[in-house]
Amino acid sequence: AQTVTQSQPEMSVQEAETVTLSCTYDTSENNYYLFWYKQPPSRQMILVIRQEAYKQQNATENRFSVNFQKAAKSFSLKISDSQLGDTAMYFCAFMNSQGAQKLVFGQGTRLTINP
Amino acid sequence: GAGVSQSPSNKVTEKGKDVELRCDPISGHTALYWYRQSLGQGLEFLIYFQGNSAPDKSGLPSDRFSAERTGGSVSTLTIQRTQQEDSAVYLCASSPKMTDRGPYEQYFGPGTRLTVT
Repeated sequence: AQTVTQSQPEMSVQEAETVTLSCTYDTSENNYYLFWYKQPPSRQMILVIRQEAYKQQNATENRFSVNFQKAAKSFSLKISDSQLGDTAMYFCAFMNSQGAQKLVFGQGTRLTINP
Repeated sequence: GAGVSQSPSNKVTEKGKDVELRCDPISGHTALYWYRQSLGQGLEFLIYFQGNSAPDKSGLPSDRFSAERTGGSVSTLTIQRTQQEDSAVYLCASSPKMTDRGPYEQYFGPGTRLTVT
């Protein structure tokens, strides 16, 4: 079974700083997908960024980028020029390419952006 | 367009009672997922529907939990004889059918917070 580990329960940075959230995973599959979701206090899970395992190029979405290291099974999220609205829980998630395509989540990192 | 909706938003029930949680997916989305978010267990998968069938119900924690989906649309998660450990936020997500270009995003609803007293 796949597992996802987020080793940072909480992080706090000043507005405009850059912050990196860590995620490692364990799988024997070669083809899969990785995601970062944001959950603000409203509880609504919002997709931040996704990465296909077969792509070597790291995904980027505006201020959000990932560092995907397939051999190390590492998938970190970098938030540049952090904003107050980035304050939320962040979940790393794994999805197999076959079967139900269900998401396996890490325990989450609570990120606080301070003014 | 309308997103995934869930009702009720919050539910408080007494131990031993049955509860029904409802999920309205985005129109046209064939896949529907239920997840549970609790303090002790984090976010965990419960069940997956493709159309009206449930090919993967491996995450249902006990036989007190069941779910159905009718008309390829609305889904209901039923918990019988609720226990205090059932207290959690129950999240529903839907997505279009997976293609050979990879999975579509799962769109989540706002969840139902269930409290069993």
